[in-house]
Amino acid sequence: GQNIDQPTEMTATEGAIVQINCTYQTSGFNGLFWYQQHAGEAPTFLSYNVLDGLEEKGRFSSFLSRSKGYSYLLLKELQMKDSASYLCAASPQTGANNLFFGTGTRLTVIP
Amino acid sequence: DSGVTQTPKHLITATGQRVTLRCSPRSGDLSVYWYQQSLDQGLQFLIQYYNGEERAKGNILERFSAQQFPDLHSELNLSSLELGDSALYFCASSEAGNMNTEAFFGQGTRLTVV
Repeated sequence: GQNIDQPTEMTATEGAIVQINCTYQTSGFNGLFWYQQHAGEAPTFLSYNVLDGLEEKGRFSSFLSRSKGYSYLLLKELQMKDSASYLCAASPQTGANNLFFGTGTRLTVIP
Repeated sequence: DSGVTQTPKHLITATGQRVTLRCSPRSGDLSVYWYQQSLDQGLQFLIQYYNGEERAKGNILERFSAQQFPDLHSELNLSSLELGDSALYFCASSEAGNMNTEAFFGQGTRLTVV
């Protein structure tokens, strides 16, 4: 079976750093995606990790540990517009036709 | 704007009815994926089409069907609707035949079954 776990909600202060964790158990694994989804809107791609380690992209970084079945998304210098749901999704294999999504972490940034 | 267009944005219909959701992928993308997002649920993969052919099926109910036309737009047909079918239905497209690359999602169709 497939199991993707991430916290349901998080709150952080504007200007701060927040880390959103994701653990996964899938039958087959190729890589881990992070998508951002504002309420009622389309998910938009943030990152895709295939290899272990940290990948940085501006204010956002994503980390993967394949041996631990663990990933996190790190958001720095939080802005109010970062309030959104962050979806963790596992790709079960190379050339996968679908992703397994977690239920998402709703992040609220407060002044 | 992702370049993926879904219509309609909102749909309210009664139980037992049938509806059709439409998706136009980004220009040049051959793959179309349909996902269902129920309240407090993760995105659930329904079905994928690639260049007109069904390529993969997820947890799609027998009451649901889809197709992709020669111009690459896709339609998702939902019939004998039940209250539990109320959800956001997203279409995504990608250039490749798989989701191991960035996929682009449409704005979704919010279906409410009453």
